[in-house]
Amino acid sequence: GAGVSQSPRYKVAKRGQDVALRCDPISGHVSLFWYQQALGQGPEFLTYFQNEAQLDKSGLPSDRFFAERPEGSVSTLKIQRTQQEDSAVYLCASSLLASDTGELFFGEGSRLTVL
Amino acid sequence: GENVEQHPSTLSVQEGDSAVIKCTYSDSASNYFPWYKQELGKRPQLIIDIRSNVGEKKDQRIAVTLNKTAKHFSLHITETQPEDSAVYFCAASAHNDYKLSFGAGTTVTVRA
Repeated sequence: GAGVSQSPRYKVAKRGQDVALRCDPISGHVSLFWYQQALGQGPEFLTYFQNEAQLDKSGLPSDRFFAERPEGSVSTLKIQRTQQEDSAVYLCASSLLASDTGELFFGEGSRLTVL
Repeated sequence: GENVEQHPSTLSVQEGDSAVIKCTYSDSASNYFPWYKQELGKRPQLIIDIRSNVGEKKDQRIAVTLNKTAKHFSLHITETQPEDSAVYFCAASAHNDYKLSFGAGTTVTVRA
């Protein structure tokens, strides 16, 4: 596809359920990021991949959050035992380069609501 | 880590007037400052960016200025149009730091 694709666009989960959010970055993009965007706030960094290597996971809020990108393309963000405070839009972004900041291309996000 | 503050949080302007959004940052090592526009329910999209080796950059009706000494940068939109209505985010990152730190956003409403 032409842009970053995320699925599902909307997810409602009961507290305690596990969820998995998928990101298809732009083909050939080396860098992949996950951001969390709470209502009325700017995106907050969660984790960064360079190809299949997860180089930074310092933004993950707890050990219930896990991300992977096993083949250096598609990435999955998994949240175990969801809590109400996990409710947010989860944005995936990709970038062509690996070594320096460049334009981030965002997906439309996955809106997670935890009841 | 980097802390980016953005003001105002909301801005209402008459069509044709100018809009200015200001951001400050804390990390003096930051050298890349992009601005993203996010329409309701849509993805953030880059509209302009500036690196620390320049003080100003323009692209048609949009301009960004940077004051490294004071650690602040601003977005200027001239001759605003209804399609400029959106949330605008500033961000900052340092060289070789792939992470962008975002401001909280400014909701711009252009009144017809």
